Amino acid sequence: DVLMTQSPSSLSASVGDRVTITCRASRNINSFLNWYQQMPGKAPKLLIYATSNLQSGVPSRFSASGSGTDFALIISSLQPEDFATYYCQQSYTLPPTFGQGTKVEIK
Amino acid sequence: HVQLLESGPGLVRPSETLSLTCNISGGYINSHYWTWIRQPAGKGLEWIGRFYVTGVHNYNPSLKSRVSMSVDTSKFQFSLKLSSVTAADTALYFCAREGEADGDFHFFEYWGQGAPVTVSS
Repeated sequence: DVLMTQSPSSLSASVGDRVTITCRASRNINSFLNWYQQMPGKAPKLLIYATSNLQSGVPSRFSASGSGTDFALIISSLQPEDFATYYCQQSYTLPPTFGQGTKVEIK
Repeated sequence: HVQLLESGPGLVRPSETLSLTCNISGGYINSHYWTWIRQPAGKGLEWIGRFYVTGVHNYNPSLKSRVSMSVDTSKFQFSLKLSSVTAADTALYFCAREGEADGDFHFFEYWGQGAPVTVSS
């Protein structure tokens, strides 16, 4: 299986901050990388697919980049509704695997 | 608008079979892969497997010997069976629809709210 490692595991930030979450794959996954946001007790929500494509309805303050083994999710100006846990997921090979998650908390 | 809703027993005895159903509305069941993903409390996400209406399926190798999935197109339902459960199978179980872009890129586009399952005697 492809191991996905996110960093940091958690972070504290303030409203308006720029936040970067990184995701590293244990092998080359080209651009087959997706990002999800999960609120407590809720299902994950697709934010970005194929490394950098914003899912319909997702605010433009979310962006992402990367290729190969290293990827990043950027929130340009953190909003109150963005405090959640974020997961990366590779779809390059079966089984699809997720990172361990990054919890974004209020400072 | 696609909506998914999981249902099934919230408590399963050890060594028995966990059975969950996902009711699908607002979309075509005859296309897309239908997927089960689980999440133990406070932990990350684990892909269980996926099923296509033609019978094509893929299961996580870690669970393959215990998993079966099916689709009932007449009832717009997608089902999961996980046999010989243990406490390690206690989790929130999500059904999801797999989306696709450019023919190659797959992602989990629509999710149910999740069904909590506890394995305990």
